[in-house]
Amino acid sequence: AQKVTQAQTEISVVEKEDVTLDCVYETRDTTYYLFWYKQPPSGELVFLIRRNSFDEQNEISGRYSWNFQKSTSSFNFTITASQVVDSAVYFCALSEKLDSGYALNFGKGTSLLVTP
Amino acid sequence: DAGVTQSPTHLIKTRGQHVTLRCSPISGHKSVSWYQQVLGQGPQFIFQYYEKEERGRGNFPDRFSARQFPNYSSELNVNALLLGDSALYLCASTRLAGKEQFFGPGTRLTVL
Repeated sequence: AQKVTQAQTEISVVEKEDVTLDCVYETRDTTYYLFWYKQPPSGELVFLIRRNSFDEQNEISGRYSWNFQKSTSSFNFTITASQVVDSAVYFCALSEKLDSGYALNFGKGTSLLVTP
Repeated sequence: DAGVTQSPTHLIKTRGQHVTLRCSPISGHKSVSWYQQVLGQGPQFIFQYYEKEERGRGNFPDRFSARQFPNYSSELNVNALLLGDSALYLCASTRLAGKEQFFGPGTRLTVL
C-alpha cells in the first residue's frame, strides 16, 4: 500500500534559521514520483518540486533543497535561512498510478512557523 | 496564463442537501483531479478525469460523482450531504503526460 509519513506535525523556528522537513514513504511501485507542495493560509496548494524514483540527484533551488534517498525511502526538504514568508503547511506526496495518469497520496503535512 | 479556477469559493449547506462544485483547468490541460482536504489533514484523492472519462477513483462513497465536459472543465457532485463532508475541495489539472498537478484555490464547503 502507498503511504507517506510526515512525522513532524509542527515546527517553529526563528527567521534565518535552517529547517528540515522530513518525509518517509512506502510503495511497491518500481517507478514512482515524489512531490512537495506548500499550502499558505490562503489554502491553495503550490507545487514546489517533483522527483523521479530513478533520479537520486539532490536538487537546490535558491534557499530550497531536497535530499532524496531511495535506500531509506526518504525525501527531505530543507529551507536555508528561513523567512517569515516561508510560514505555511508543507505536504509531501507520492504518486499512485491510475489507468492513465497519477493520483497523489499526501502526508498529513508539517506546519512551519517562522517568527521574526 | 490563468491558473486553475474553482467556484464557488465558499458554500454552506445543510445535511441531506446536494452540492455541485466547478473547476476549470489550466488552458491546454486535459486532465482534472478532485481532492478532499479535511481540516488538519492532507488532501485525499476523489476522482481523476481525462478526455471526459473517469480514470481513477479514490475511496469515497457513491454519493460522490463527477464529470468532465468537452472544454475539459469539471463538476464534482455530492448528494445527501453529511456533516463529515465539510472540507476544502481542491481541483487540480495536469497537462498531457504530465506528472505535476497544479491546484486551484479550492471550495470550502461547510455542512450544518
